[in-house]
Amino acid sequence: GENVEQHPSTLSVQEGDSAVIKCTYSDSASNYFPWYKQELGKGPQLIIDIRSNVGEKKDQRIAVTLNKTAKHFSLHITETQPEDSAVYFCAASNTGSARQLTFGSGTQLTVLP
Amino acid sequence: SAVISQKPSRDICQRGTSLTIQCQVDSQVTMMFWYRQQPGQSLTLIATANQGSEATYESGFVIDKFPISRPNLTFSTLTVSNMSPEDSSIYLCSVEDPLDYGYTFGSGTRLTVV
Repeated sequence: GENVEQHPSTLSVQEGDSAVIKCTYSDSASNYFPWYKQELGKGPQLIIDIRSNVGEKKDQRIAVTLNKTAKHFSLHITETQPEDSAVYFCAASNTGSARQLTFGSGTQLTVLP
Repeated sequence: SAVISQKPSRDICQRGTSLTIQCQVDSQVTMMFWYRQQPGQSLTLIATANQGSEATYESGFVIDKFPISRPNLTFSTLTVSNMSPEDSSIYLCSVEDPLDYGYTFGSGTRLTVV
């Protein structure tokens, strides 16, 4: 089955700086890679996703890059703000037969004011 | 994307009892998923529930402990049976958006077993 590894487990940045979280996956059949933000006491919220037919996707301050050859994908947050502080999870799935998400271990991001 | 209402949001239960968690979706969806998130950990898939068929359980999870119902395309329940303190976790339901294969999560049920 799929295995997703996520690094780092904790990340502290100064407000205004950029944050990068990296994930690797094992199953070459995976073709959908979402990123979720989970605030304390809440369920995961999708913040951006990418499919295997593109290499990069941006949405305002958030971007995701995908390297299919190396089987890794990354989340980039620019101009970080205190409200970006949360736990971020990457995930991978195959939208064919095994349509279920496998999650990374999570990254606790703290943006220091 | 779909909107999910999950109940209860939290509960404190006595060991040996059972709790049923409900997940209501505002649109018809084929695939629904139940996850467990232990304190400070990532999400682990318990089972996949498709309407009209038996739920498919992941390794380490069994139907006797986590029975699931899926009576229609907008509703599902997960029961945590014969609870022990080790079952204290957040339980989350999730649905797959049939249009873009994205996944939406409910707000979770925070279960504490004492």
